[in-house]
Amino acid sequence: DVKVTQSSRYLVKRTGEKVFLECVQDMDHENMFWYRQDPGLGLRLIYFSYDVKMKEKGDIPEGYSVSREKKERFSLILESASTNQTSMYLCASSHSRGRVANYGYTFGSGTRLTVV
Amino acid sequence: AQSVTQPDIHITVSEGASLELRCNYSYGATPYLFWYVQSPGQGLQLLLKYFSGDTLVQGIKGFEAEFKRSQSSFNLRKPSVHWSDAAEYFCAVGSYGGSQGNLIFGKGTKLSVKP
Repeated sequence: DVKVTQSSRYLVKRTGEKVFLECVQDMDHENMFWYRQDPGLGLRLIYFSYDVKMKEKGDIPEGYSVSREKKERFSLILESASTNQTSMYLCASSHSRGRVANYGYTFGSGTRLTVV
Repeated sequence: AQSVTQPDIHITVSEGASLELRCNYSYGATPYLFWYVQSPGQGLQLLLKYFSGDTLVQGIKGFEAEFKRSQSSFNLRKPSVHWSDAAEYFCAVGSYGGSQGNLIFGKGTKLSVKP
């Protein structure tokens, strides 16, 4: 069964900490995405990547960075966590270009991050 | 600008009743469309997709959706709702003409099911 695996389901971190959220996919997908999800705001795209060592800013990149050193792994980094980054974080992956039409995105189960 | 609108934030239906969740999109190129479902505390699961051919598509869990180009809509339907269908539903659209095929998601419709 194909999978997108997020390393933690629940995390509690302190304000100012550096936080790493890890995402691994086993489908040889080119594209990977990080979203945050908050009630009433839907899915908001933070960063995405079309290839190893490539990254693109999404709609809300402030306070975040990403790393993609290997094709299967896409890490989201909160440089200095703040309480307004308390949220559900979802990772997704997909094939590129026209193959997205056939398969869509595959999502991980999410990481519920609480910053205290 | 490209956009996806799900007009209903929250819908409540009785178990056994029919369901229709609305999705309208604004997209310049030929779209492909998806519906995803998210159970509480979980990621999103693909329900169904449309990218060409028959405009009425069948998905998992007894759901179907109809693509209507003239109305720019892709509404999700189910003839008889089960309590386990209570979840949040997201419509998404992409385009063959778009860069890399990124999807745009609606803000979601939360479905509650009354016994």
